[in-house]
Amino acid sequence: QSVLTQPPSVSAAPGQKVTISCSGSSSNLGTNYVSWYQQFPGTAPKLLIYENNKRPSGIPDRFSGSKSGTSATLGITGLQTGDEADYYCGTWDSRLSSGVFGTGTKVTVL
Amino acid sequence: QVQLQESGPGLVKPSETLSLTCTVSGGSISSYYWSWIRQSPGKGLEWIAYINYSGSTNYNPSLKSRVTISVDTSKNQFSLKLSSVTAADTAVYYCARLRVTMVHGVIMYYFDYWGQGTLVTVSS
Repeated sequence: QSVLTQPPSVSAAPGQKVTISCSGSSSNLGTNYVSWYQQFPGTAPKLLIYENNKRPSGIPDRFSGSKSGTSATLGITGLQTGDEADYYCGTWDSRLSSGVFGTGTKVTVL
Repeated sequence: QVQLQESGPGLVKPSETLSLTCTVSGGSISSYYWSWIRQSPGKGLEWIAYINYSGSTNYNPSLKSRVTISVDTSKNQFSLKLSSVTAADTAVYYCARLRVTMVHGVIMYYFDYWGQGTLVTVSS
C-alpha cells in the first residue's frame, strides 16, 4: 500500500553510523520535500527532519537528511541505544493527491 | 508549546461510524492545517485527511468515500468521522498539525506536532 519503500531493518554497533533509504517516484520524492519521523513503541511519531534536511529545534545534529532524485536518506551518526526505534519517511504525492509515508525501518543498536 | 489530545470511543461496532475529536491547546487552530493519521497494530502510518482553519479539506483517496473531517475554531478542535467501519479500521488514530506550502510547484509537507494517539477497536 505504501508508495515509499524503506528497508525493514538496519543495525549497527553503538557509536557507528546507520543510513535509512526511502525510495519513491517522480510524483512524490522526485518533486516534493521529504520529512522523517522517529517512533518509539507505544508512542506517537516525532518529527526528526523536514524540508529534506532541516532539523527542528532540539533534534541533535547526529540526525541528518538528504534527497536526490526519487530517493531520500536519513543518517544517524554516533548511534546510541536510545536511538532504537522505528523511522518513517513522508511526503506528498502529487499524482495521488495524497500524503504518503514510507514502510518504516526498525533501527537496532547491536 | 502546542499540544494535541484525541478523544472519542475506544470501541466501535462494525458498520457504525467512528467519531474522534482533537483538542488543540497552547496555540490557536487558526492559520494552520490539521490532520488525522492512523496506524494499524504492528503496521505503518497512513494519512487520512487534512483540514485548515477555514474548512478547506483533502482526503486520502482510498478512504475518501467514508471520511469527513471538520473544524470548530470556537472550541479549538477538529474532528474525524469514518463511516461503515470494519475490523480493518482498527488502529491507533493520531491527530497532528500539518505544515504544508507550495513554492514553485514543490510541496513542503510535514507534521510537526502530534497527539498521543487513541486506540480504536472495531468489534461487535
